[in-house]
Amino acid sequence: GQQVMQIPQYQHVQEGEDFTTYCNSSTTLSNIQWYKQRPGGHPVFLIQLVKSGEVKKQKRLTFQFGEAKKNSSLHITATQTTDVGTYFCAGKATGTYKYIFGTGTRLKVLA
Amino acid sequence: GAVVSQHPSWVICKSGTSVKIECRSLDFQATTMFWYRQFPKQSLMLMATSNEGSKATYEQGVEKDKFLINHASLTLSTLTVTSAHPEDSSFYICSATGNSYEQYFGPGTRLTVT
Repeated sequence: GQQVMQIPQYQHVQEGEDFTTYCNSSTTLSNIQWYKQRPGGHPVFLIQLVKSGEVKKQKRLTFQFGEAKKNSSLHITATQTTDVGTYFCAGKATGTYKYIFGTGTRLKVLA
Repeated sequence: GAVVSQHPSWVICKSGTSVKIECRSLDFQATTMFWYRQFPKQSLMLMATSNEGSKATYEQGVEKDKFLINHASLTLSTLTVTSAHPEDSSFYICSATGNSYEQYFGPGTRLTVT
């Protein structure tokens, strides 16, 4: 079945440093979504990418969808303590209706 | 923004009993609701997808007779864990989609089976 892996599993950064998480799917995706889950909270939708090679920005966050539509990345510039949480990608394979969540990357930001 | 509620937020039950978890979309009509299970510090594992008025579609390895899902209206889906056992202890979380592609997640239900 479809698998979605993320690396790294954990990342500790000093406040102000950049952070990147990578998402890789075993199958070609029709689109990919990114979610953030704060400790003790529920996932919150961040963005959806649909087009091959698409890049979207939200303030300090930059999202990219690979050319082959099998991988994606989320980059945070100059992390802040409010960025703490687990970032999940969720991919929808072509021809399916459901999203498979990635393994997640837990980010800790040290002040 | 769209709000999804879950009830109860936590529940403790004895082994062998059944527990019902409700998932409600409060300010929109949810055409599809998803049920996930999340173990501590792990990802969300999709259990089943439910559409209003039709039978739920279960993921491979999820026992449909153990995890009963009912989606009776466009704002309510329920998950009943039947004959619960300690290994069913987990965080159960639902999400709902309406007219947009975003999944709106409920706050989750922590189930502990003793």
